[in-house]
Amino acid sequence: AQSVTQLDSQVPVFEEAPVELRCNYSSSVSVYLFWYVQYPNQGLQLLLKYLSGSTLVKGINGFEAEFNKSQTSFHLRKPSVHISDTAEYFCAVSENSGYALNFGKGTSLLVTP
Amino acid sequence: EAQVTQNPRYLITVTGKKLTVTCSQNMNHEYMSWYRQDPGLGLRQIYYSMNVEVTDKGDVPEGYKVSRKEKRNFPLILESPSPNQTSLYFCASSDRERNGYTFGSGTRLTVV
Repeated sequence: AQSVTQLDSQVPVFEEAPVELRCNYSSSVSVYLFWYVQYPNQGLQLLLKYLSGSTLVKGINGFEAEFNKSQTSFHLRKPSVHISDTAEYFCAVSENSGYALNFGKGTSLLVTP
Repeated sequence: EAQVTQNPRYLITVTGKKLTVTCSQNMNHEYMSWYRQDPGLGLRQIYYSMNVEVTDKGDVPEGYKVSRKEKRNFPLILESPSPNQTSLYFCASSDRERNGYTFGSGTRLTVV
């Protein structure tokens, strides 16, 4: 079975600074990888996904992530964050033979002026 | 609009009183799932369904039941709720191509 580790529970950052949210996974088979965002008092929204092909994936709101198979990582990046990016971010993995989606415990991104 | 609809959004109930949280999707998705979200624990899967009449346990199924009699609906049933089931619940659905789950807006349940 696969597992997901989000290495930082909280990431404080100043507005317009770059940010990286780290995600590592473990699996013995090929996987699909996802990042979701949860704004306060809302459901989860898909930011981006890696299914196959190019290892650099671009998503909504200026976010991107890079799949690194050798390091089993899928880190999320944004070159310049806004106050409105303050939210909880979840990394998730699914074996490409199944539908079950396993989530990390989340990283709380706090953007301050 | 493609969406997953959960009801109710908020629910306060007493220990032992049976309740049902409804979930409906309008995207003709085969796969549906229930998660609970607790602080510091992330999202944990309760039950999932691959298609009509096909359901299976997730990571934390104890105290919950589900049914999938129609493709669009996947209700979550708590036969005898307990305070440790106080949580934020999400329903989600996915298509065969695994284009990413679509989540409902959540149901915040409090059991007193």
